[in-house]
Amino acid sequence: GENVEQHPSTLSVQEGDSAVIKCTYSDSASNYFPWYKQELGKRPQLIIDIRSNVGEKKDQRIAVTLNKTAKHFSLHITETQPEDSAVYFCAASMGAGNKLTFGGGTRVLVKP
Amino acid sequence: GAVVSQHPSRVICKSGTSVKIECRSLDFQATTMFWYRQFPKQSLMLMATSNEGSKATYEQGVEKDKFLINHASLTLSTLTVTSAHPEDSSFYICSARERGSYNEQFFGPGTRLTVL
Repeated sequence: GENVEQHPSTLSVQEGDSAVIKCTYSDSASNYFPWYKQELGKRPQLIIDIRSNVGEKKDQRIAVTLNKTAKHFSLHITETQPEDSAVYFCAASMGAGNKLTFGGGTRVLVKP
Repeated sequence: GAVVSQHPSRVICKSGTSVKIECRSLDFQATTMFWYRQFPKQSLMLMATSNEGSKATYEQGVEKDKFLINHASLTLSTLTVTSAHPEDSSFYICSARERGSYNEQFFGPGTRLTVL
């Protein structure tokens, strides 16, 4: 089955700096890659997603890039703010209603 | 739109008892619902996939007789933890995919189960 690895496990950045989280996946059939933000004790919230027919997608301060050949995708957060502090999860799916496989998560701390 | 609720949000029970958790899609029809378990500071681990009107598909290592899943309607799925033990204490989260949706899952707020 699919295996998703996520790095780093923790990330501390100064407010205003950029944060980058990287994920690799094992199954070349995966074609949907969402990113979730989870605050302590809360539900995961979808922040951005990308499909395999697209190499990059941007939404304000958040962007995701996908390299299908290398089987990795990354989340980029620019101009970080304290409210960006949370745990971020990447995931991969083979689409068409298939299940999500999650990465291990990255705990992001934005220091004011 | 696309709101998923869970009930209860928190439950404490004695070892050996059974606990039922409900997951509802409030404003859409969910043909598929997923149940996850999340231990502290860990990722979401899929337990089972539930399709309306059919038996759930369990992930490897998840005991189907211990974690009973029912998806009787397009808006409701239930997870029953039978004969709960302290090691079952965890955060249980459901998600739902809307009929006709290709990929996106909407998550419920989770249920914190503590077994004494």
